[in-house]
Amino acid sequence: KNEVEQSPQNLTAQEGEFITINCSYSVGISALHWLQQHPGGGIVSLFMLSSGKKKHGRLIATINIQEKHSSLHITASHPRDSAVYICAVTSNTGNQFYFGTGTSLTVIP
Amino acid sequence: DTEVTQTPKHLVMGMTNKKSLKCEQHMGHRAMYWYKQKAKKPPELMFVYSYEKLSINESVPSRFSPECPNSSLLNLHLHALQPEDSALYLCASSQRGGGPHTGELFFGEGSRLTVL
Repeated sequence: KNEVEQSPQNLTAQEGEFITINCSYSVGISALHWLQQHPGGGIVSLFMLSSGKKKHGRLIATINIQEKHSSLHITASHPRDSAVYICAVTSNTGNQFYFGTGTSLTVIP
Repeated sequence: DTEVTQTPKHLVMGMTNKKSLKCEQHMGHRAMYWYKQKAKKPPELMFVYSYEKLSINESVPSRFSPECPNSSLLNLHLHALQPEDSALYLCASSQRGGGPHTGELFFGEGSRLTVL
């Protein structure tokens, strides 16, 4: 069983739609990360959060520590948002970094 | 400067070649990482350097040899690789804190390696 589970695995949306990607984890964490990876490319850190909610442009990330759950929302989605979104957590010992398997998002014009 | 720079972006090598991948960051981060990523899979940790010392080696074969000449540079020396070693190799860095993975990870664009 993976320490970090994401859903859905694949997601196709029409341009302009509101998108939600979910992440659940089973270990004690000090931080949760949302990462973005375009095809064949490097990884960009979108958010690092340990409580509450963060917003950057059209992206919003929330975390519920008690439920061990986080969501990434994209408002007014655009084709350039098409990428793999990866949830990852830093263990509360700081010694482990666990990746989810990623959510592949395709936004159709 | 919040960049992690990796070179080369693409590398093709034969199984008898010796080559190196390079990674550089100027954010003052004291932890640096090598990850290997196969297609449609999450990255797999290979090595962690903390304060220029190797702190984690995830049982990586000796044909991969990491080196950290100083706090800004991280190399991965490659020798006698196999075709199954073809992958995207990602470098990352973070500020050293209570553990090697404490803090935000900054990734490079990766080096796409093909072993023939």
